Amino acid sequence: EAGVAQSPRYKIIEKRQSVAFWCNPISGHATLYWYQQILGQGPKLLIQFQNNGVVDDSQLPKDRFSAERLKGVDSTLKIQPAKLEDSAVYLCASSPGPNPGGYTFGSGTRLTVV
Amino acid sequence: AQSVSQHNHHVILSEAASLELGCNYSYGGTVNLFWYVQYPGQHLQLLLKYFSGDPLVKGIKGFEAEFIKSKFSFNLRKPSVQWSDTAEYFCAVTSAGGFKTIFGAGTRLFVKA
Repeated sequence: EAGVAQSPRYKIIEKRQSVAFWCNPISGHATLYWYQQILGQGPKLLIQFQNNGVVDDSQLPKDRFSAERLKGVDSTLKIQPAKLEDSAVYLCASSPGPNPGGYTFGSGTRLTVV
Repeated sequence: AQSVSQHNHHVILSEAASLELGCNYSYGGTVNLFWYVQYPGQHLQLLLKYFSGDPLVKGIKGFEAEFIKSKFSFNLRKPSVQWSDTAEYFCAVTSAGGFKTIFGAGTRLFVKA
């Protein structure tokens, strides 16, 4: 079974620039999650999709972050404009349903904002 | 609000030593509990999980965890660690029937050969 695919693996941008991350979940997984993992901390949920609808985006900084999953399959997460404190690893995960028996994570995108 | 606390941020052990990593959560209702592991250069992967039944859960690679409801704890154990267990370990909690999984800050384990 193919895993969760994410790209790019690394990204370095200057503050106030924009950046986008892409995620392709495991085939058939209806639920997709974006997590932010700042160095030294555990992953923090940014947004959860069930098919192409948003289930939870309560911790997404909506003034600068946006995410979409238009066809209920792959998803993009965008930051515009980026701040220094956005430097983190952005993890995508998927599960068959909304109350999972455990997620499958992608390798993540390491973002450095300078 | 739910929270997860992992007591040790860094643990250093010699090979063959026993391991116990602490995890406590705050949530009054029924929970589902997980331990994830991240080996160097690899992605997070599920180590073991508890939903219901026997509170002693066995996972991959000889790991086990015990759910103690009265202590709101889900500690991870391994009787004899190996150098290859060097990794970061994350405890996670989901309220049963809920959607959001909360992760602890992680414990970095280094096993000396």
